[in-house]
Amino acid sequence: NAGVTQTPKFQVLKTGQSMTLQCAQDMNHNSMYWYRQDPGMGLRLIYYSASEGTTDKGEVPNGYNVSRLNKREFSLRLESAAPSQTSVYFCASTMNTEAFFGQGTRLTVV
Amino acid sequence: GNSVTQMEGPVTLSEEAFLTINCTYTATGYPSLFWYVQYPGEGLQLLLKATKADDKGSNKGFEATYRKETTSFHLEKGSVQVSDSAVYFCALSDRSNTGKLIFGQGTTLQVKP
Repeated sequence: NAGVTQTPKFQVLKTGQSMTLQCAQDMNHNSMYWYRQDPGMGLRLIYYSASEGTTDKGEVPNGYNVSRLNKREFSLRLESAAPSQTSVYFCASTMNTEAFFGQGTRLTVV
Repeated sequence: GNSVTQMEGPVTLSEEAFLTINCTYTATGYPSLFWYVQYPGEGLQLLLKATKADDKGSNKGFEATYRKETTSFHLEKGSVQVSDSAVYFCALSDRSNTGKLIFGQGTTLQVKP
């Protein structure tokens, strides 16, 4: 069981560069999420998708865009990376009340 | 708005000690409450949950009771092991059916042999 798969696991960007974080789940879940994890702040929701074809902003959406490509895939794009976006990013999907998380992408913006 | 507050860590215990990690919440209505655990280098995993007042969630020797009167969901374990060393997150989900989670800041637990 792959569950939720994120790529890449690590990435270093220069300020102003763009990149897309990929996420795929094989559990046939309708809802998917992107969170960022910062020291002392827990996880904060960036964007979520309640179903294929819909996306909504979370708590900290500025500087990000998302695409729900199909039911399996939900990508997060940084158009112009900033040092404040240095963080660990987690993708998740939910069934009923339980969330399943990927292993995370550690992103450093220099 | 909704929020979750956890006790600050790190918490350092000896093996077989009793563990309590405090969690309180602020929410409108009746949220569902969760504890997630993050082992080093991994994503979060659901440890236990409770969906209504007075429910007790339990798993792997951990327990937490949904206390509406004190808006709390404290995590307890009677005898911790070295393998319990991890970061523990308290979280809530409102009743909007979006599945969105609001997390506390996390508490690092280190258990020494």
